[in-house]
Amino acid sequence: GAGVSQSPSNKVTEKGKDVELRCDPISGHTALYWYRQRLGQGLEFLIYFQGNSAPDKSGLPSDRFSAERTGESVSTLTIQRTQQEDSAVYLCASSLQGTGRGETQYFGPGTRLLVL
Amino acid sequence: AQSVSQHNHHVILSEAASLELGCNYSYGGTVNLFWYVQYPGQHLQLLLKYFSGDPLVKGIKGFEAEFIKSKFSFNLRKPSVQWSDTAEYFCAVSSNTGKLIFGQGTTLQVKP
Repeated sequence: GAGVSQSPSNKVTEKGKDVELRCDPISGHTALYWYRQRLGQGLEFLIYFQGNSAPDKSGLPSDRFSAERTGESVSTLTIQRTQQEDSAVYLCASSLQGTGRGETQYFGPGTRLLVL
Repeated sequence: AQSVSQHNHHVILSEAASLELGCNYSYGGTVNLFWYVQYPGQHLQLLLKYFSGDPLVKGIKGFEAEFIKSKFSFNLRKPSVQWSDTAEYFCAVSSNTGKLIFGQGTTLQVKP
């Protein structure tokens, strides 16, 4: 079946520009997560959507980062006024309910962002 | 705050050698523990997980991990590695909120 998809797969932008990254979760999954992996580091949690609950934004590194999700479908992560330290692979994951209890998260292929 | 520490950043083994990758976490409450793997050119995928019951869990491709609560550890093991196990391995922990906290990852290189 279809997995989590992300677009674009690669994005090169200039410092100061805004970028939008897209994630399509697995159909029927109510929970959606964004993570970031900078070179040589582990994955950092950014934001988490679960059903109609208010998103958990506790991992967003600055107010330049925001994310939206329409219902239980597509999510977009927006980075405004990009900086070089934003260069990373941005990973999206989805899970069936998002209630923890060992629920598996399914990851997309990621968007590799390079800020020049 | 939760944190995860993976002791080995880069491991090189010959085929048929035994593998143990260390993972320790910091969190006092109920935890769910995961090992994810990323093979070259592929998505991150679940290898195995623990959330309750038998602390020795078995995953895909002959991997297993043991949850030792007193040591806050969840080490990954495989008795005999293959060249195809070359990948990056991530340990992660979550409470019951769902979000995962990852370790820095261990790159495993298996020489044929």
